[in-house]
Amino acid sequence: AQSVTQPDIHITVSEGASLELRCNYSYGATPYLFWYVQSPGQGLQLLLKYFSGDTLVQGIKGFEAEFKRSQSSFNLRKPSVHWSDAAEYFCAVGDPTDSWGKLQFGAGTQVVVTP
Amino acid sequence: EAGVAQSPRYKIIEKRQSVAFWCNPISGHATLYWYQQILGQGPKLLIQFQNNGVVDDSQLPKDRFSAERLKGVDSTLKIQPAKLEDSAVYLCASSSTREGRGQETQYFGPGTRLLVL
Repeated sequence: AQSVTQPDIHITVSEGASLELRCNYSYGATPYLFWYVQSPGQGLQLLLKYFSGDTLVQGIKGFEAEFKRSQSSFNLRKPSVHWSDAAEYFCAVGDPTDSWGKLQFGAGTQVVVTP
Repeated sequence: EAGVAQSPRYKIIEKRQSVAFWCNPISGHATLYWYQQILGQGPKLLIQFQNNGVVDDSQLPKDRFSAERLKGVDSTLKIQPAKLEDSAVYLCASSSTREGRGQETQYFGPGTRLLVL
């Protein structure tokens, strides 16, 4: 069965430190890959997406993600976090053969930023 | 550009009552999604519309949930009767078909937080 896993439920990071959020997927072929962020009381916002090509993807707010086929992973990184990065982050996968673009979301990783 | 609008933002009802949520997508977006997000979980797609037609409702509990998008613009999701396990945030999202199939960016509204007592 197809699945997407975010192994870390909760991460605490100091402001200015680097951040890496893990995402692993189980799919028959390389899926479309997305990272969304959800701030308290708000809807989800797309950070970045990967379909093919260069495996290092740049997104908004200084985030980047790297697709590693051999590890079935699409980890999100930021070199230096800001207090405003405190939020919940969701990895999502889409099936390239699905005409309607349905997404399957991971359970999310809650990021807390300390001073 | 106005974002996806949802109302109400919060709703508290007792089990077996009915409730309805409204969503107005971004202007011009043909695709509209309703998701259920239970606390501690990622969003789960309930139903997807392309214009006013349903393209996926495989995870919609059809015995109690219904949704419509009559004019291909705004949409209503209804629960009747509600159960305790329906307590969740209901998210509406929309996307344009101008991007490649399956590659569309979904734009989410702020959600409706439902508590069933």
